[in-house]
Amino acid sequence: EPEVTQTPSHQVTQMGQEVILRCVPISNHLYFYWYRQILGQKVEFLVSFYNNEISEKSEIFDDQFSVERPDGSNFTLKIRSTKLEDSAMYFCASSYGLAGSSYEQYFGPGTRLTVT
Amino acid sequence: TQLLEQSPQFLSIQEGENLTVYCNSSSVFSSLQWYRQEPGEGPVLLVTVVTGGEVKKLKRLTFQFGDARKDSSLHITAAQPGDTGLYLCAGVAANSGYALNFGKGTSLLVTP
Repeated sequence: EPEVTQTPSHQVTQMGQEVILRCVPISNHLYFYWYRQILGQKVEFLVSFYNNEISEKSEIFDDQFSVERPDGSNFTLKIRSTKLEDSAMYFCASSYGLAGSSYEQYFGPGTRLTVT
Repeated sequence: TQLLEQSPQFLSIQEGENLTVYCNSSSVFSSLQWYRQEPGEGPVLLVTVVTGGEVKKLKRLTFQFGDARKDSSLHITAAQPGDTGLYLCAGVAANSGYALNFGKGTSLLVTP
């Protein structure tokens, strides 16, 4: 069964460093998303991406963050100059469409980012 | 602002019991999804409901979407220890983009 994959599973970085989180969405999906979940809190939307551009972003997704689809399979989230409060699980998700059941978002296993 | 309120927050029951968890909002949703999440893992999609009043069944799990598309429920019949986990509802608010808004979840523990 197709699934979303993410690498690395755990990333430790020092405050101020840049990190890139990688995702491979389900192959025939057209819409890609990043969410984050701070320990003990709910899952929060960061950004959605379609046709090589951002289609929607939350107030969390400021200039520190960027997304890219560098090739036909990968979808990346870059965090510049990480802060302690960026420590969280970051989930990638993808969906085929935006309407009805085609809108179902499938999540990857997540990358645990620890900023020290 | 907590768009989706889930209740109860925690639920501990014995194997064989039935249970219902709720997901409520004052907002109308275009669609609503239920996920199950294990510690340290990503949410796993269980079901999507789209039409007001819709009922979907997945083995012992029954999902219902409210007529006004503002609330949903998940009913589990004859719970088993394997049902233990965090159940999340998430929805797309009508006329508000396509981001999923998540509730905080109901943590279910089923003991043998």
